Amino acid sequence: AQKVTQAQTEISVVEKEDVTLDCVYETRDTTYYLFWYKQPPSGELVFLIRRNSFDEQNEISGRYSWNFQKSTSSFNFTITASQVVDSAVYFCALSVLDDKIIFGKGTRLHILP
Amino acid sequence: DAGITQSPRHKVTETGTPVTLRCHQTENHRYMYWYRQDPGHGLRLIHYSYGVKDTDKGEVSDGYSVSRSKTEDFLLTLESATSSQTSVYFCAISDFSPGTGELFFGEGSRLTVL
Repeated sequence: AQKVTQAQTEISVVEKEDVTLDCVYETRDTTYYLFWYKQPPSGELVFLIRRNSFDEQNEISGRYSWNFQKSTSSFNFTITASQVVDSAVYFCALSVLDDKIIFGKGTRLHILP
Repeated sequence: DAGITQSPRHKVTETGTPVTLRCHQTENHRYMYWYRQDPGHGLRLIHYSYGVKDTDKGEVSDGYSVSRSKTEDFLLTLESATSSQTSVYFCAISDFSPGTGELFFGEGSRLTVL
């Protein structure tokens, strides 16, 4: 069975600090996909990134970066120079072929001005 | 943004009454999903559909039924609402076969069962 653990329930940082959100996953499948979603206070769920199990390259998109490490079964998300608009709940998710996406319980991020 | 609309966006009802939530998409995506979001549980799959009249159960399907008579519409029905079904319900769509790609979500429907 697949599992996603986001051990950090809630994080608070001061604006402009860097912050890393942890995601640890479990699966026995060799082919799988990892995702991050953002849920701002307005409530919608916004897709941020998808990564498949055969691509361990880190990805950077502006202030956002993702570190995928199969050796530690982790897919961590870093926000550099955080801003108040980054305040949200962030979900990590995992799927394997022909099966549903499993979501972690989320990390609530507060960026303090 | 994916064209997904959910209705109603907010509903308050009483225990024992039937409730239907509607998800409508304009993207012609094959796969549609209903999730519920509760504090401490993240998002949990209720039911999903892989085509017209083709549906299957998710991990928390008890007390819920679904129907999909047209590609664009996916209905979630609570035959007899209970307080444990108070939640925020999200519809999602995808053109990827299950497990291979991201979902795009609607804005959510907040249901309160008194």
